[in-house]
Amino acid sequence: QKEVEQNSGPLSVPEGAIASLNCTYSDRGSQSFFWYRQYSGKSPELIMFIYSNGDKEDGRFTAQLNKASQYVSLLIRDSQPSDSATYLCAVGDAGGTSYGKLTFGQGTILTVHP
Amino acid sequence: DTGVSQDPRHKITKRGQNVTFRCDPISEHNRLYWYRQTLGQGPEFLTYFQNEAQLEKSRLLSDRFSAERPKGSFSTLEIQRTEQGDSAMYLCASSLALTQYFGPGTRLLVL
Repeated sequence: QKEVEQNSGPLSVPEGAIASLNCTYSDRGSQSFFWYRQYSGKSPELIMFIYSNGDKEDGRFTAQLNKASQYVSLLIRDSQPSDSATYLCAVGDAGGTSYGKLTFGQGTILTVHP
Repeated sequence: DTGVSQDPRHKITKRGQNVTFRCDPISEHNRLYWYRQTLGQGPEFLTYFQNEAQLEKSRLLSDRFSAERPKGSFSTLEIQRTEQGDSAMYLCASSLALTQYFGPGTRLLVL
């Protein structure tokens, strides 16, 4: 049973601060990693994906991957109240007939207060 | 709108009734996925199509659930003899490679 673990939070940060969201996964063979944002009552929206060890930056978002530690994180710089949402970490299968199937964590609730 | 679309957006039904949901993927995407999400949880994989072939089904997908993608374009998910435990958001996603894009979901409430 492949597992993806996230701290459910809630994580509360002040406006302008850095929010740090963490995720661990159990399948050492996992190759693709995704962060989705989900507003209440809406569907998941892709923020970033990362495949290689290290950092990947996109605007205010930075994804970090450490395959040896089976750990992936998302940093949000200059957090805004509009960033308040649930952040879902997802790990992708690759190969065979499971190509692209995602296993999600339970999500971390982020609240950015003015 | 060139995104993934789902219909209906909301469905209320009585226990024991059958329901069918439709998903229209992004037009050039050959892979289509169904997930189910309950309150406070992340989405759980149900089934996956590559073109018209259903390549994987989760053990969550009991024999009351059936999915089709007859011409490799839109897909339907049918739930027969609905139970209260089927109440959830049913999400469809499509992809061309590894990155999946989700539709707005169909929220099902079984009374």
